[in-house]
Amino acid sequence: EADIYQTPRYLVIGTGKKITLECSQTMGHDKMYWYQQDPGMELHLIHYSYGVNSTEKGDLSSESTVSRIRTEHFPLTLESARPSHTSQYLCASSESGSSTDTQYFGPGTRLTVL
Amino acid sequence: KNQVEQSPQSLIILEGKNCTLQCNYTVSPFSNLRWYKQDTGRGPVSLTIMTFSENTKSNGRYTATLDADTKQSSLHITASQLSDSASYICVVTDRGSTLGRLYFGRGTQLTVWP
Repeated sequence: EADIYQTPRYLVIGTGKKITLECSQTMGHDKMYWYQQDPGMELHLIHYSYGVNSTEKGDLSSESTVSRIRTEHFPLTLESARPSHTSQYLCASSESGSSTDTQYFGPGTRLTVL
Repeated sequence: KNQVEQSPQSLIILEGKNCTLQCNYTVSPFSNLRWYKQDTGRGPVSLTIMTFSENTKSNGRYTATLDADTKQSSLHITASQLSDSASYICVVTDRGSTLGRLYFGRGTQLTVWP
């Protein structure tokens, strides 16, 4: 079991609210990622980070933002949630320099915006 | 276009039976292929990883095969158990980008009945 944590696990909020999804890992991994996954669909990369103060947008356009102030922490923020943001959000991390670069995933946050 | 296609989309088998899941990909240049298991409401967990030169890799009752020439992989599950019920996701990494871009299949939803 990987040491990567996400909170909250489930979140139901109203439209227009600001939310932050937390992701922390205790493995000392430099690389961290946020994915969005809808039921029965593939994971889509929305943000990634190579290390502290490094953040990049992924392949899927997202209105969310991320920050990487500490190695172990990679929160995702939505300034104004909308029903279209309803989805599962998965955080992952991997070790730089690893020959396999296996990504370890957190349990996910299931977000519902009413 | 880089893609990962999995079949079947869903599969129901009886406990104790074997099954084989398929993955076809067009990702190039190829780096490695992983099979992940994703339990409902959880993040994916890596089962196997294979590089270009590897034809088969086992992890307990899970055996993955890779044919890099035809760009096909399979995951064979032996003597299925109820706990095998999950989505199995094929993930291919390309080595043409610094990030090591991952391409995800949509998964095969396996249900094991008693």
